[in-house]
Amino acid sequence: DTAVSQTPKYLVTQMGNDKSIKCEQNLGHDTMYWYKQDSKKFLKIMFSYNNKELIINETVPNRFSPKSPDKAHLNLHINSLELGDSAVYFCASSQVGQGGGYTFGSGTRLTVV
Amino acid sequence: DQQVKQNSPSLSVQEGRISILNCDYTNSMFDYFLWYKKYPAEGPTFLISISSIKDKNEDGRFTVFLNKSAKHLSLHIVPSQPGDSAVYFCAARFLLSTLTFGKGTLLTVNP
Repeated sequence: DTAVSQTPKYLVTQMGNDKSIKCEQNLGHDTMYWYKQDSKKFLKIMFSYNNKELIINETVPNRFSPKSPDKAHLNLHINSLELGDSAVYFCASSQVGQGGGYTFGSGTRLTVV
Repeated sequence: DQQVKQNSPSLSVQEGRISILNCDYTNSMFDYFLWYKKYPAEGPTFLISISSIKDKNEDGRFTVFLNKSAKHLSLHIVPSQPGDSAVYFCAARFLLSTLTFGKGTLLTVNP
């Protein structure tokens, strides 16, 4: 039983396309996140949602739009993909009061060609 | 602006010896620190954490030490095992902020 699942695991697409990455968690957590790991290996926060509401939106181009239909899902839609969007995107979830640790998905490797 | 720094990109140790992974931070507001372990093609998994009110936390072979005055923490793995070979990320937060991660250190434990 996967706790945080992301699909797809790999995504290769051309510049200018629009793509979505889906994330679901079955842990009952109330907060979900998107992190980006770029070529320099840093894990950088992009968005944070708490109970379907956007809490944090770091400096991310508005081509990136998260959507949370319910607190178990946080999808990431990217418009007009650029070469610099190539990275590994990780979804994560957490629950306040449970030690502060995040449970991560296995990541989506996005390659824009 | 790297608030959490892991200055050693890699570390190699012999099986059975101690592995020491280091992490420095610049934000004195951080009050909770965590270590994550990551295997290739998988997401990071939580390993151990420490609150700023403590200076040591131990869990089996893993011990995290926190030196607040030096803004430094370290993860000790004793004894190291080949299965410990992975990338280790240090992370920090204050209050209920999101986690800020370091760049990671690749640990290789040689049989």
